[in-house]
Amino acid sequence: QKEVEQNSGPLSVPEGAIASLNCTYSDRGSQSFFWYRQYSGKSPELIMSIYSNGDKEDGRFTAQLNKASQYVSLLIRDSQPSDSATYLCAVNYYAYSGAGSYQLTFGKGTKLSVIP
Amino acid sequence: DGGITQSPKYLFRKEGQNVTLSCEQNLNHDAMYWYRQDPGQGLRLIYYSQIVNDFQKGDIAEGYSVSREKKESFPLTVTSAQKNPTAFYLCASSISRARGYTFGSGTRLTVV
Repeated sequence: QKEVEQNSGPLSVPEGAIASLNCTYSDRGSQSFFWYRQYSGKSPELIMSIYSNGDKEDGRFTAQLNKASQYVSLLIRDSQPSDSATYLCAVNYYAYSGAGSYQLTFGKGTKLSVIP
Repeated sequence: DGGITQSPKYLFRKEGQNVTLSCEQNLNHDAMYWYRQDPGQGLRLIYYSQIVNDFQKGDIAEGYSVSREKKESFPLTVTSAQKNPTAFYLCASSISRARGYTFGSGTRLTVV
C-alpha cells in the first residue's frame, strides 16, 4: 500500500511569517510530486509540482524534494490570510492493475491558518 | 475555457436509490478519475480510466459503477449497494503523469 503522510495540523502562523508544510512517502520509485491547495468546501487546486531533488521556487512558494529521505516540503513565504487552506501532498506511483497506469496518492492534508 | 465540469453541485439521494454524477472535460485529457473525500479521510480513489471503453477499480469501488463511452465524459453511478454515500465527490483528469491532475468543482452528495 502506497502511503503519503502529512501532519494534519492545524498549523497556525502569523501574517508575514514562513509556513512550512511537510510530507513523507513510502514508494521509493515515485518520480513526480505535487502540492495542492484546497479551500473549505472547494476542490483541490494544483499549486506546485517537483520532480528532481532540490528546491523549486514559484513566487512565494518553494517546494523541496529529498528522494533519499523520501521527503517533500512546501514553504510559503510572507504568509497571507488568503493562504489559509488545507494543503494536500500528492505522490505519483505506478499501479500494475489492469493495463497499468500512473496514479496519484494523496496525503490527508495539513490545515494552515494564517493569523492577521 | 478548458476545464472539467461536474454536475450537479449538490445532490440528495433517498435510501435505496441509484444516482448518477456527471463529469465532462474539454481538455482533451486521456485519463479521468473519481475520488471521494470525507472529513479527515483525504482523497480516496473510486475508479479511473486511461482510455475510452476501459476503466479500473480504485481502492473503494464497491457500490459504485462508471462508464467511459466518450473521451470527454466519465459519469459515476452511486448504487443502492453503497451504504454510506454521503461525501464530497471529485472528478479529475490528466494528460500525463508529469502534469498532475486537474479537478472539477465537485458534487456534494447527501443521503436523506
